[in-house]
Amino acid sequence: QKEVEQNSGPLSVPEGAIASLNCTYSDRGSQSFFWYRQYSGKSPELIMFIYSNGDKEDGRFTAQLNKASQYVSLLIRDSQPSDSATYLCAVNLLALRINKLVFGAGTILRVKS
Amino acid sequence: NAGVTQTPKFQVLKTGQSMTLQCAQDMNHNSMYWYRQDPGMGLRLIYYSASEGTTDKGEVPNGYNVSRLNKREFSLRLESAAPSQTSVYFCASTDRIYNSPLHFGNGTRLTVT
Repeated sequence: QKEVEQNSGPLSVPEGAIASLNCTYSDRGSQSFFWYRQYSGKSPELIMFIYSNGDKEDGRFTAQLNKASQYVSLLIRDSQPSDSATYLCAVNLLALRINKLVFGAGTILRVKS
Repeated sequence: NAGVTQTPKFQVLKTGQSMTLQCAQDMNHNSMYWYRQDPGMGLRLIYYSASEGTTDKGEVPNGYNVSRLNKREFSLRLESAAPSQTSVYFCASTDRIYNSPLHFGNGTRLTVT
């Protein structure tokens, strides 16, 4: 089992719809969770981070964390063509007492106008 | 306001050649990281430096060495390049080793023939 898993996609949604991106992780001790957006040929840029169970909203983005089920999700409301990118989930694992940020392989999102 | 600066942007090496990838940050961050990104595999940690004077192996350290020259600079060296090291390399920094998002450089695209 990979430490951080994401569906590779592509996930296709129409413009204006809600895009839902999911991520599961293996280490129950993980405490911090990040979503990055990466356009083709560019570096990852931070969208949101979440530390506590529940929802965290920032503009059109909502991060949801459920530690009991070991998943974190990102909702994008009113999706725009400019949201088309690869979304990377990153988790700070505590396995072996080594603090490190581990990334999923990413989900490709395509927003169709 | 440069953030994290990587050089070079592109590089082509022949098998067996050596080179050093340079990274510098101007955000007074304590921790710095080197990741590689390959298609379908996400970002994988090569080495990291929790603070000036310390370095530690990440997930895929074989074939690489690093130097934390000072608080600003963290270099990655390939002593004898192999085709398996063809990848995009990202340097990143953060102000803390844990529970803190990473700020990425623009990446170095390396091809080993």
